[in-house]
Amino acid sequence: AQKITQTQPGMFVQEKEAVTLDCTYDTSDQSYGLFWYKQPSSGEMIFLIYQGSYDEQNATEGRYSLNFQKARKSANLVISASQLGDSAMYFCAMREGDGSYGKLTFGQGTILTVHP
Amino acid sequence: DTGVSQNPRHKITKRGQNVTFRCDPISEHNRLYWYRQTLGQGPEFLTYFQNEAQLEKSRLLSDRFSAERPKGSFSTLEIQRTEQGDSAMYLCASSLPTLTPYYGYTFGSGTRLTVV
Repeated sequence: AQKITQTQPGMFVQEKEAVTLDCTYDTSDQSYGLFWYKQPSSGEMIFLIYQGSYDEQNATEGRYSLNFQKARKSANLVISASQLGDSAMYFCAMREGDGSYGKLTFGQGTILTVHP
Repeated sequence: DTGVSQNPRHKITKRGQNVTFRCDPISEHNRLYWYRQTLGQGPEFLTYFQNEAQLEKSRLLSDRFSAERPKGSFSTLEIQRTEQGDSAMYLCASSLPTLTPYYGYTFGSGTRLTVV
């Protein structure tokens, strides 16, 4: 069964506007962590933001925020004030458990294109 | 430390040849992971080391694949008798032990393998 689902193969946004990238997950663990990574065409995976399952506040990191809805098992990434450099592939990932074992399960990714 | 280093960045090999990739993690990270990423997909977990011990191997890691991490420092991933289906990006990541405030993984830039 798919544990991380990203239903948007591609998204387009105008420069300076906000965009939301969707992510839903499936786990029976009470403790887990959710991550978003950016992968430019050069290939490196760049960490953007982390949300722990017990964190009550939505995570924020600069222009990135994570809209965490635990009951709906969703962890959407919101990028505010999009920039041309935000054009890349974005992956949602999950680590199950309390962190004692760190395997990540990734979604299929969403390609974001920012138009000038 | 400048991050996780992977060599080579690109490798083209003929079907049936053996290839070996190297990953140098961040020095204080005792955990090391290998992932495989095919075109347009998210990374898939291959194997995980804690120090020199290989603690889990994915079913994706067939008998032709072997990974080592001698002395708990750098790691190598070898593929024997390569097949065209092995063509992919091979990503290495490292992380600190659990129960740290930041559950971050640092990824290398990957080794892109093309089997012709």
